[in-house]
Amino acid sequence: ETGVTQTPRHLVMGMTNKKSLKCEQHLGHNAMYWYKQSAKKPLELMFVYNFKEQTENNSVPSRFSPECPNSSHLFLHLHTLQPEDSALYLCASSQEALGLAYEQFFGPGTRLTVL
Amino acid sequence: AQSVTQLGSHVSVSEGALVLLRCNYSSSVPPYLFWYVQYPNQGLQLLLKYTSAATLVKGINGFEAEFKKSETSFHLTKPSAHMSDAAEYFCAVSERGAQKLVFGQGTRLTINP
Repeated sequence: ETGVTQTPRHLVMGMTNKKSLKCEQHLGHNAMYWYKQSAKKPLELMFVYNFKEQTENNSVPSRFSPECPNSSHLFLHLHTLQPEDSALYLCASSQEALGLAYEQFFGPGTRLTVL
Repeated sequence: AQSVTQLGSHVSVSEGALVLLRCNYSSSVPPYLFWYVQYPNQGLQLLLKYTSAATLVKGINGFEAEFKKSETSFHLTKPSAHMSDAAEYFCAVSERGAQKLVFGQGTRLTINP
């Protein structure tokens, strides 16, 4: 138990569906992240939020739309996905402070399958 | 740009044997370095981190890693493997003061009885 929860744990959706992934952190952190983990590829950073503001979008297609309503919650809205978007989506959080190593705490992930 | 190379996508050792997982990094500035472990159907868990204090870093579950600047390496070791160590291990690097972690491609560790 890392203090970062993700729901749902598994999701199967068609290419025309709209769904959302949810992440919640109970650690009092001020930064949150979305990662994509595909087979045989390194973890890909998708988005970074600091104090609810998006500070990095790593050239992610617009069919992925993040939302961070507060420092504890992060969503990833999905629409018109492609089969190659099937992957494990990991959420992480960290405490941003000058001079500190940004140790990130990860949730268990959502296993997404796009049919 | 920073990068991480993990030598060997699969490593297999016998129970009780030494575990050695290799990580080399590339960074133009002094880095922070991390090792994470991922068990099946779980997220990543931090094993240990190097932040410029002691070059030999001890982590959880009996793992340790040594930062060698001259070799740009941060290899992970454990003297005696246990069946519960079977998992995927990721090395990651970040620049000091930077938030972004760059991960290696991972090494899957298998423990043979």
